[in-house]
Amino acid sequence: QQQVKQSPQSLIVQKGGISIINCAYENTAFDYFPWYQQFPGKGPALLIAIRPDVSEKKEGRFTISFNKSAKQFSLHIMDSQPGDSATYFCAASKNFGNEKLTFGTGTRLTIIP
Amino acid sequence: KAGVTQTPRYLIKTRGQQVTLSCSPISGHRSVSWYQQTPGQGLQFLFEYFSETQRNKGNFPGRFSGRQFSNSRSEMNVSTLELGDSALYLCASSFGADEQFFGPGTRLTVL
Repeated sequence: QQQVKQSPQSLIVQKGGISIINCAYENTAFDYFPWYQQFPGKGPALLIAIRPDVSEKKEGRFTISFNKSAKQFSLHIMDSQPGDSATYFCAASKNFGNEKLTFGTGTRLTIIP
Repeated sequence: KAGVTQTPRYLIKTRGQQVTLSCSPISGHRSVSWYQQTPGQGLQFLFEYFSETQRNKGNFPGRFSGRQFSNSRSEMNVSTLELGDSALYLCASSFGADEQFFGPGTRLTVL
């Protein structure tokens, strides 16, 4: 049972544009929603995370939007740069991150000049 | 501060063999989690250890096992390897809740 659904599978965005990746979850017990960035040959690295008590969190060019009633959250990358080209994973966890991460299937993002 | 280290980085085994992978967490981190990453299944949780005790376990057969030592270093073992075990095995450590810091992974190929 896939508890976190992620879309799209791949995304091509022009430099300077906005990249948007969406995730939906099923388990209402999830209370911690991180986004990870992974470059080839590297492990995932935490980009930004949100808890359901807020609807939006912004860190630099990266923003998470969270819709608790729809059980959806999304990552927005503003002013996308070629260096942002990577695979992005959304994830969810219970107990404020103290339990295992359940990952989405990943989005391969390519930023073209 | 040094990051999470995993050894070896690459491993080739044949079906039926067994393998042990090692993970050294960030200094001070007591929780170590293991994940399997494959193109088809994505990132899947294997198990988590905290203070030498398995705290959480994923949906993997008993051929997959792990342990944690008193210095928080962890090992995972896969016995009777199958072709489908070919994957990137990732270790992540954390101090408490929230951020898990991932290592670069061990790429296991089963022939």
